[in-house]
Amino acid sequence: QITLKESGPTLVKPTQTLTLTCTFSGLSLNTNGVGVGWIRQPPGKALEWLALIYWNDNKRYNPSLNSGLTITKDTSKNQVVLTMTNMDPVDTATYYCGALVDRSGIYYRKTFDYWGQGTLVTVSS
Amino acid sequence: DIQMTQSPSSVSASVGDRVTITCRASQGISNWLAWYQQKPGKAPNLLIYASSTLPSGVPSRFSGSGSGTDFTLTISSLQPEDFATYYCQQANSFPLTFGGGTKVEIK
Repeated sequence: QITLKESGPTLVKPTQTLTLTCTFSGLSLNTNGVGVGWIRQPPGKALEWLALIYWNDNKRYNPSLNSGLTITKDTSKNQVVLTMTNMDPVDTATYYCGALVDRSGIYYRKTFDYWGQGTLVTVSS
Repeated sequence: DIQMTQSPSSVSASVGDRVTITCRASQGISNWLAWYQQKPGKAPNLLIYASSTLPSGVPSRFSGSGSGTDFTLTISSLQPEDFATYYCQQANSFPLTFGGGTKVEIK
């Protein structure tokens, strides 16, 4: 069974840096074909993809946020960390992590097969 | 970036109805399209990938079709647990982009 869970602060101040951790089980970022990414959803709005990291450390970012995002993995802990600098009230959202699993182990899958429960982050002074 | 446009933004339907949601990509994406179902307060759940493939456990009343720029999600006979918001996502190229969502409401 594959599970993911997001953790991090629920409240950050404007201009601060947000650090979120995705802890997962049932899969490994040492396995070819596996990726973990982040998606956010402002209250009442649609989903927005943020960043993605694959088993071979290939990293992809949403260019609309690129300069402020960093994604890293710790395979020994089964964790992926997202940092987002210079937070603004418009960044208030539920942040989800998701796993992508290409069973062939060859391709960079771009569909989120599994999702965490999400964590609401509010940006306010 | 590839823009994804869903229609309608909301639909009212009754249990047993056939419901169709469309998603249009601003450029061709072959069959690299996924659909997700999201219930209030919950995370999205993968419903269909590669335009028409259902992951294990997804009921067969859900089906997807399309290729290129135009795609469709169909619920053949709406069930009470299907009232939710549905999102399409293009899986062709980065940046990954989602549609604006379609809320399926009880009539």
